[in-house]
Amino acid sequence: DAGVIQSPRHEVTEMGQEVTLRCKPISGHNSLFWYRQTMMRGLELLIYFNNNVPIDDSGMPEDRFSAKMPNASFSTLKIQPSEPRDSAVYFCASSPMGTLHGYTFGSGTRLTVV
Amino acid sequence: GQQVMQIPQYQHVQEGEDFTTYCNSSTTLSNIQWYKQRPGGHPVFLIQLVKSGEVKKQKRLTFQFGEAKKNSSLHITATQTTDVGTYFCAGRGNNAGNNRKLIWGLGTSLAVNP
Repeated sequence: DAGVIQSPRHEVTEMGQEVTLRCKPISGHNSLFWYRQTMMRGLELLIYFNNNVPIDDSGMPEDRFSAKMPNASFSTLKIQPSEPRDSAVYFCASSPMGTLHGYTFGSGTRLTVV
Repeated sequence: GQQVMQIPQYQHVQEGEDFTTYCNSSTTLSNIQWYKQRPGGHPVFLIQLVKSGEVKKQKRLTFQFGEAKKNSSLHITATQTTDVGTYFCAGRGNNAGNNRKLIWGLGTSLAVNP
């Protein structure tokens, strides 16, 4: 298996632009998680899905952030409009559903908003 | 809300020395996971502990879960330069409401002098 695949690996954009991050989870994993990592706040869970359904989006910072999972093999995290404080590494992770499994993380997208 | 504290934040050791990182939760956990993130990399799942007082070993790494299921530790014997990275603990709550989400510590960054 190729693991969790994220794209792009790096994104540099200007403030106010729309940013879309993409994730392909491991086939057969029913849970998908979007995390944001910064030095100051560590790993923050933004949203997670079970069977393509959003379960908890309480970590989404504000309305500028939205996430979708149209099918079991694809998810997007969109920021519109982007702001410099959104600069971070965004990770997607997947796992089999349930509480007894570790998460497999993608390589992340390093977002810089200038 | 539930919090997971990790100490120390940083640790610098000479190659061959031992290393320990500690994880403490404000509430009882159902299980705890440990991850390693290499510099510039993504978190990689190491292990999960479920039972009170559980001890698991992976080569030079020893993981413990406290009797009260509120604390955990990771001990590395005779560190090597390949052990460099940040070690995260992530605890899962004991209540149905927060049971599905992992609460992450801020990590312990380990540097090893050759």
